[in-house]
Amino acid sequence: EEYLVESGGGLVQPGGSLRLSCAASGFSFNNFWMGWVRQAPGKGLEWVANINQDENEKHYVDSVRGRFTISRDNTRNSVLLQMNSLRAEDTAVYFCVRRNRVVLWSRLDVWGQGTTVTVSS
Amino acid sequence: DVQLTQSPSFLSASVGDRVTITCRASQAIDNFLAWFQQKPGEPPKLLIYAASTLQSGVPSRFSGSGSGTDFSLTISSLQPEDFATYSCQQDHVYPWTFGPGTKVEIK
Repeated sequence: EEYLVESGGGLVQPGGSLRLSCAASGFSFNNFWMGWVRQAPGKGLEWVANINQDENEKHYVDSVRGRFTISRDNTRNSVLLQMNSLRAEDTAVYFCVRRNRVVLWSRLDVWGQGTTVTVSS
Repeated sequence: DVQLTQSPSFLSASVGDRVTITCRASQAIDNFLAWFQQKPGEPPKLLIYAASTLQSGVPSRFSGSGSGTDFSLTISSLQPEDFATYSCQQDHVYPWTFGPGTKVEIK
């Protein structure tokens, strides 16, 4: 079975940094795009970032561009999200997701359980 | 950015009811739309992608339709396990965006 397990969440002060990790298992990790989606408390889902198999294509939502960096390690089947200059509005559960491309279409078909990031003084 | 609006935002229904949720995009997105189901404390679960393609393992009572700017998710006969929040998501253009969600509760 296919799994994604996130780690690295926690409490951090505004302006601080945090690094989220996502460990994948049960599928050929280096064949898939990966990404992150977040959900603030009591709010809807927000796509954060995507990365392709070779790390030569990355996309970010405007609110995190320049502060967050997505990367991956295909030897360790992991995807990372380095989060710098954190703000209160970054407080959320962060989900690691697999992007499965089917011809032209994408589907976010595997999700981790999420890791909680709280930005507060 | 493509804004997605959903209606209704809240829906009260009974087991066995036919339920339809709509999602409208602020610009045409062809059929690059997915639907997710989320229960409290759980990650979202993919139901439909490419507007109308049922994800493997999802019951056939779920169906999706639409293209361009107007889409819908229909549950043909609501089951107890279907009470949840449903969200649409577009992957036609970056940034990918989600709708605000529709909460389906038991009447």
